Amino acid sequence: DAGVIQSPRHEVTEMGQEVTLRCKPISGHNSLFWYRQTMMRGLELLIYFNNNVPIDDSGMPEDRFSAKMPNASFSTLKIQPSEPRDSAVYFCASSPRTSGRGMIADTQYFGPGTRLTVL
Amino acid sequence: TQLLEQSPQFLSIQEGENLTVYCNSSSVFSSLQWYRQEPGEGPVLLVTVVTGGEVKKLKRLTFQFGDARKDSSLHITAAQPGDTGLYLCAGKLEDSGGYQKVTFGTGTKLQVIP
Repeated sequence: DAGVIQSPRHEVTEMGQEVTLRCKPISGHNSLFWYRQTMMRGLELLIYFNNNVPIDDSGMPEDRFSAKMPNASFSTLKIQPSEPRDSAVYFCASSPRTSGRGMIADTQYFGPGTRLTVL
Repeated sequence: TQLLEQSPQFLSIQEGENLTVYCNSSSVFSSLQWYRQEPGEGPVLLVTVVTGGEVKKLKRLTFQFGDARKDSSLHITAAQPGDTGLYLCAGKLEDSGGYQKVTFGTGTKLQVIP
């Protein structure tokens, strides 16, 4: 079975450009998470979706970041305009069970990540 | 404020040695998970512990959840080069809206030298 698929694997762009990261979760999973990982701050949750609906976006650093999940098999994380401090590895993860009230989020399956470098 | 502190931050040992990694918090977690991340890949789940005092073994790895469910440890016996990687603990908390959220620890980078 295919795991979580992310594209591109590497992205190098210049400050001010728009960046779009893509994720295809594991089929049948109904929760999707976007994380950012840096040496300084570790692995940070940016936003998570449940059944395609954004549940918690409190980790999104600022208005330059936006995420969408138009259907159960696709999500995007967009940065516009990008800045050098956005350089990091961005992970998408999916989970097979609902992370809803009174229910325990199940195991998260991570994609291979997108390494973003903003010059 | 980092909810989950891991120690040590870095660890370099010889093959065959034993080691323990710690994950500490002032918060009480409903459950705690340990992940291992290899370079260029995403984290992969190793184990989930749910009950205070619970001990789980996975081959040479022993995981323990503290009695108060605020801390956890990972002990590796006779470390192998294949154990090299970043070890992350992740605690599950219920937020004010009743949703379960996962918070990852600061990570321990382990290098096992052949």
